[in-house]
Parts: sequence; C-alpha cells; structure tokens
Amino acid sequence: DAKTTQPPSMDCAEGRAANLPCNHSTISGNEYVYWYRQIHSQGPQYIIHGLKNNETNEMASLIITEDRKSSTLILPHATLRDTAVYYCIVTGPNFGNEKLTFGTGTRLTIIP
Amino acid sequence: GAVVSQHPSWVICKSGTSVKIECRSLDFQATTMFWYRQFPKQSLMLMATSNEGSKATYEQGVEKDKFLINHASLTLSTLTVTSAHPEDSSFYICSASGRTDNEQFFGPGTRLTVL
Repeated sequence: DAKTTQPPSMDCAEGRAANLPCNHSTISGNEYVYWYRQIHSQGPQYIIHGLKNNETNEMASLIITEDRKSSTLILPHATLRDTAVYYCIVTGPNFGNEKLTFGTGTRLTIIP
Repeated sequence: GAVVSQHPSWVICKSGTSVKIECRSLDFQATTMFWYRQFPKQSLMLMATSNEGSKATYEQGVEKDKFLINHASLTLSTLTVTSAHPEDSSFYICSASGRTDNEQFFGPGTRLTVL
C-alpha cells in the first residue's frame, strides 16, 4: 500500500471548515483513499473514501487532486465533537479484505 | 452501517494470567477479522488477520503463541492474551469485513491493563 503523509496536528475554530491534507504521492492507479477518524479511546470511525472523483457525504467532502498524489478532507462546519485523530489510508480495491496501514494521522482540535 | 462489538470494553488483570477479548459482528457475517493494538499516543498497529475456519496470519514480530486468535464462526473472533505482562497493557481493536468487498467496520476497542 502507498505511504501517506499528514501534518501531526491542526486547530480549527468551531463553525469553520476544517481542511485536512494528505499526501500520497506513490498511490497506484487502482488504489483508493480512505479517511477514518478516532475519537479518544474509541475505535476508528469511517468518514469517506474515493478513487479519482471528489466525493461528498453527510459527514465530509473529499477532494482528490487530478494527479491523485494528494487529497483534502473537508469538514464543512466543524463542531467540538469533531476533535479527533484523522487518518488518511491508501488501500487496494478489495478494501474489506485488505490489511490497513495506519500512519500517525492528524490530531484535529476544534477550538470553541 | 454495520455494527461490530467488543467485550469486555476494559479489563484489569494480574501479571501471568490470561485474558480473552471477543469481537462480534452483530448484523452481518464477517469472513475476515483483523486485530490491532494501540499503545498510548501511538497509531494502530495490525497484529493479525483472522479468516473464519482457518488459522490466523500474524504480522512480523507478533508472537502467535502469546496472542491466540480463534475465528470459529462467521460472527465471532476471539483474541486471548496468554500469560499477560504489564507491557501487554494496550488498547486492542478489531475490525470486520464480509458484508461487501469495500467495507471494513471497527469495534469500539478493549482497554487491557496488566498489573
């Protein structure tokens, strides 16, 4: 699986958009970008995933650059409950059966 | 989404004893389950992959005789930490897949403290 690079920490004001970047310059053509988050002392929670196109769901938006070497997770209106560690993971198409490599993630702190 | 549970959510045991952690898929059949370990302020590290009806595959550096994994049914996998020591104290998390090929669901985790 391709390696990902994320900033170790970020702050965002409550109510503002939180933009979390991820670098995955060695991503292969059939590899997906998945985002999970982990709130303190809980299991990881799925947020969103994508291959080439930008994706949006009720939680977030995922913007993938045209060359697919980087992506940005956007939480449109951050709340205090969005404080968590966010993991960007690159994995093959058979995600359900893939071993996942979690990097160090980005610790996002939402400031009141 | 699908629900994965773990039991217990936390456990404290004495050094030298064995502890069993259960991972259950509540509303789907999990053909594959993964076990992760997470030390404080660190990321999740994969320990082993468990497929129903077959032996688990362990990651390099994980002692298979110390961390016994059983995936005897399509809804249950167990991790037994044998002869636990304080350095085994950690947050153990399972994930399960099987509902579709592109979904993997995580349990809430089990915090093990060995005194």
